Amino acid sequence: TQLLEQSPQFLSIQEGENLTVYCNSSSVFSSLQWYRQEPGEGPVLLVTVVTGGEVKKLKRLTFQFGDARKDSSLHITAAQPGDTGLYLCAGWNSGGSNYKLTFGKGTLLTVNP
Amino acid sequence: EAGVTQSPTHLIKTRGQQATLRCSPISGHTSVYWYQQALGLGLQFLLWYDEGEERNRGNFPPRFSGRQFPNYSSELNVNALELEDSALYLCASSSFLGLSNQPQHFGDGTRLSIL
Repeated sequence: TQLLEQSPQFLSIQEGENLTVYCNSSSVFSSLQWYRQEPGEGPVLLVTVVTGGEVKKLKRLTFQFGDARKDSSLHITAAQPGDTGLYLCAGWNSGGSNYKLTFGKGTLLTVNP
Repeated sequence: EAGVTQSPTHLIKTRGQQATLRCSPISGHTSVYWYQQALGLGLQFLLWYDEGEERNRGNFPPRFSGRQFPNYSSELNVNALELEDSALYLCASSSFLGLSNQPQHFGDGTRLSIL
């Protein structure tokens, strides 16, 4: 069974602070996606990373895929209250018959004004 | 373009009853996925349908079943409801081509409460 461990589980910070969320596994993933979910809504895709060592930037958000394609991080610079939400990492397994997207349990981020 | 739509928004049932949840994917998407999001457990993969066929199922008992219709909409059926089935059930759709790089587009879910 492929598992994705996210840390921290909860994070409460002040507006303007920087933060990093981690997503780790002992399994290799063919690609990894990050989603954000707001209360009462479904998750929305932020980014997909495919190549080991890949770094993608989305405004103040920086995503990195580990060299071995087993882990990823999300760094937010100068967090704003609008960044509040549940951040989920999700990995596609690298093949075989059990083809599915495995989600971590998420990091609940609260950015206080 | 219209997003993924799920119905009903809320559903209240009692133990032992049966529940049917519905999902309409984004136009042009052939793959539909179902997930259970229970408190503290994150999103758990339930079922994946594509072109009317079940492609994969997660680690859930057989009383969780579903189907995909010719118009690619889907139903999730849960029989013999138990208290621990209380959760948000999310449906997502995607294009099948280049599956692992495609975003999954989620609906806003059906909140199922078992009394």
